[in-house]
Amino acid sequence: NAGVTQTPKFQVLKTGQSMTLQCAQDMNHNSMYWYRQDPGMGLRLIYYSASEGTTDKGEVPNGYNVSRLNKREFSLRLESAAPSQTSVYFCASSEGLASGGRQDGEQFFGPGTRLTVL
Amino acid sequence: LAKTTQPISMDSYEGQEVNITCSHNNIATNDYITWYQQFPSQGPRFIIQGYKTKVTNEVASLFIPADRKSSTLSLPRVSLSDTAVYYCLVGRGGFQKLVFGTGTRLLVSP
Repeated sequence: NAGVTQTPKFQVLKTGQSMTLQCAQDMNHNSMYWYRQDPGMGLRLIYYSASEGTTDKGEVPNGYNVSRLNKREFSLRLESAAPSQTSVYFCASSEGLASGGRQDGEQFFGPGTRLTVL
Repeated sequence: LAKTTQPISMDSYEGQEVNITCSHNNIATNDYITWYQQFPSQGPRFIIQGYKTKVTNEVASLFIPADRKSSTLSLPRVSLSDTAVYYCLVGRGGFQKLVFGTGTRLLVSP
């Protein structure tokens, strides 16, 4: 199993450009998440999808949109990139409660996408 | 979501036991305590999770007192490869909106 995969690994954008970060998991997980991590900081939740067909805002959703394409894939879109969105973006997945999974589930993280906006 | 407080950094030497304490005074009855480890340029990795008393797995132990207002992650006999940032989080198990603080940066020296 590949676990959680993210593409691209690196990306440089100019201010105002748009792009989509892709995330896929092969663990049949119900819940998926997008985080950003700025230098020297902890991760902050951007958006999450508790189950297929649902998405909701996290702590820092402004400037982003998401799509839960199917159970495996969860994409993050920047419509008009700004320098403040320069960060490392992590996707994660977990069993979630919808599956009747264990109450003590864990999140599995992808390798991250390093995004620079000039 | 309960807020957590943990030391910003800790130093240790190879072979020593490291204990990282996290305080979470506002933990809710149905919250679990979870620790993640993050190496540079990688995503966080789950280490251990517990609800009360003591939990042990192949890499760490988690001690939780009866009042659950704090917890201690214990890493036995650390090695250089344990140099990483360790995050303490509290929240419902399964689906949960994790809140990461700045974590504890552990540096293990020879």
